[in-house]
Amino acid sequence: DAGVTQSPTHLIKTRGQHVTLRCSPISGHKSVSWYQQVLGQGPQFIFQYYEKEERGRGNFPDRFSARQFPNYSSELNVNALLLGDSALYLCASSLVTGASTDTQYFGPGTRLTVL
Amino acid sequence: GQNIDQPTEMTATEGAIVQINCTYQTSGFNGLFWYQQHAGEAPTFLSYNVLDGLEEKGRFSSFLSRSKGYSYLLLKELQMKDSASYLCAVRDWRRDDKIIFGKGTRLHILP
Repeated sequence: DAGVTQSPTHLIKTRGQHVTLRCSPISGHKSVSWYQQVLGQGPQFIFQYYEKEERGRGNFPDRFSARQFPNYSSELNVNALLLGDSALYLCASSLVTGASTDTQYFGPGTRLTVL
Repeated sequence: GQNIDQPTEMTATEGAIVQINCTYQTSGFNGLFWYQQHAGEAPTFLSYNVLDGLEEKGRFSSFLSRSKGYSYLLLKELQMKDSASYLCAVRDWRRDDKIIFGKGTRLHILP
């Protein structure tokens, strides 16, 4: 079975531009979470979606938005890019949300560089 | 609020044993995870603890004490490929079961 997939793997943008990152969860997983990881830090939670509805949002500005599609894949959108948005963006999928034994499995990430 | 603390860096020798500690403060503890992350790669799941005690999985073991807000990851028979960052993460039921990560411990293995 394929794991979590993300595209693109690398991306270079300039300040003020917009970016869309994509994620496909493990087959059968219905929950997708997005994380931002800057160098030397742990992943920071951005969003969680379950059954196409937002179930949680981290402390990120409104420039960050996301959605989940009927096939459970997800997009993360970032508008008006800033230099500080340069990071590894990780997508994690899990079977359900809220179950105490539920484990998140991460995709390979998208490395975003903002110049 | 929530706070997760783990050492920034550790060094150990190939073949030895190392213990990476993690302390946390959360009002809605609902499980603790350990992930391994090699440089430039995504985190990979190592272990999950929700009840007190030791969970053993091959060379890796994870321990949890909920009353002390404390966990450790024990790595035995260290191999060079174990050089990586180890992330402690806590699920918080008071925050919609969000998983909050610590900053990670960078482990260096010396030959």
